[in-house]
Formats: sequence, structure tokens, C-alpha cells
Amino acid sequence: DVKVTQSSRYLVKRTGEKVFLECVQDMDHENMFWYRQDPGLGLRLIYFSYDVKMKEKGDIPEGYSVSREKKERFSLILESASTNQTSMYLCASRGSGTGISYEQYFGPGTRLTVT
Amino acid sequence: GDSVTQMEGPVTLSEEAFLTINCTYTATGYPSLFWYVQYPGEGLQLLLKATKADDKGSNKGFEATYRKETTSFHLEKGSVQVSDSAVYFCARGQISNTGKLIFGQGTTLQVKP
Repeated sequence: DVKVTQSSRYLVKRTGEKVFLECVQDMDHENMFWYRQDPGLGLRLIYFSYDVKMKEKGDIPEGYSVSREKKERFSLILESASTNQTSMYLCASRGSGTGISYEQYFGPGTRLTVT
Repeated sequence: GDSVTQMEGPVTLSEEAFLTINCTYTATGYPSLFWYVQYPGEGLQLLLKATKADDKGSNKGFEATYRKETTSFHLEKGSVQVSDSAVYFCARGQISNTGKLIFGQGTTLQVKP
């Protein structure tokens, strides 16, 4: 069965802390994604990775960085957390190939609160 | 740029009512189209998809037809249940085949007994 897991369901951090969100997939997918979800804004892409050590900025990369050292793991890093980064963070993965209809598989999400 | 627009929610229906959630997309090429569902406290799950014009995606009683002429992909269900209460997201693939999806803002559906 397809599985994408995220390290925490709920996280509370203080302003200025460095925050790591971890995502692991067991489907041998090349592509992995980090989104944030906010009411009324839907999902917005932060970063994605199409291979180990390869990454590209999404629509809202400011204040975030990512790391992909192994194929199955994709980490999102908040270098210095701020209150406007309080949000739900969703990780997803997708196989590669010629078919652009391939779906993305999502993890359960991490609800991050920055105080 | 590429975008997806969904009808605003929340949508509140009684059990067994007919559901329509409107979705339109920008017409750049021929993207694949998706509906995802998010149940409370969970991540997104693929509900259905369509890859070319006039395709109909269906799953769990939900249907959506890829309408190229109106650039729409409206979600319908003939008789909703309380268990269908969730947030529904329409999405389109990007033509560049990066695998990226562009999501609408989501529509909350609440079904009352």
C-alpha cells in the first residue's frame, strides 16, 4: 500500500527557532513536493524535488529551504520560524514517466504553530 | 499564469441532496484534471481524474467530465451522505510535465442528516 509519512502531526515552535519537517515515502518515487495549506488559499507549492539532491523553488519559497539526501526522504527547513509560517504543511510524492496524469500521493500533514 | 478556480464554500446540504461543485481552469494546452478530497484531520486523497477532453472520471458515486469548450471540470454526486463532509480540491497538471499540480482554493462541503 502506498504510504507517505510525516514526522509530526502537530508541532509548536517559538519565533526564531530552526524547524525541520520530515517526509518519507515508500514508493520509490522520484518527485517529492512540499505545500502549505491555508484557509481560502488552497495549497501552495513551496519546493519540489525531482531527484536526490535536486530541487526547484515553487511559488512561495521565501523563508524555507529543503534537503533531499536520499530518494525516500524530503525535508523542509524553516531557517528562522516566524508567526506567518503558522500553517498546515503537506508533503506529496509522485512517480516519474511520460504520463502527466500521474497522481500525487499525500501525507497526513503537519500542523505547525509558531508562537 | 495557470490557475484553477473553484466555487466558494462552505456548501451545506441535506443528506441525499444533489451536489455540484464548480471548477474552471485556465486553458493552456490539455492538462490532466483532478479532484482531491481531504477528510477532517487527514491529508489529501485522489478522488477522481480525467486526462483528456470528454473523459469522465468517477469514484465513490462522484463524477466529473473534462469539458474543453468551457474549460470546466465540475464535480457532481447524485445523493450525498454525511460521510462526504470534507474539503474538495480541484487541480490541474502543468503542461511541462514536471509533475506539479495547481490547486484551487478548496470547497468545504457539510452534509447534515
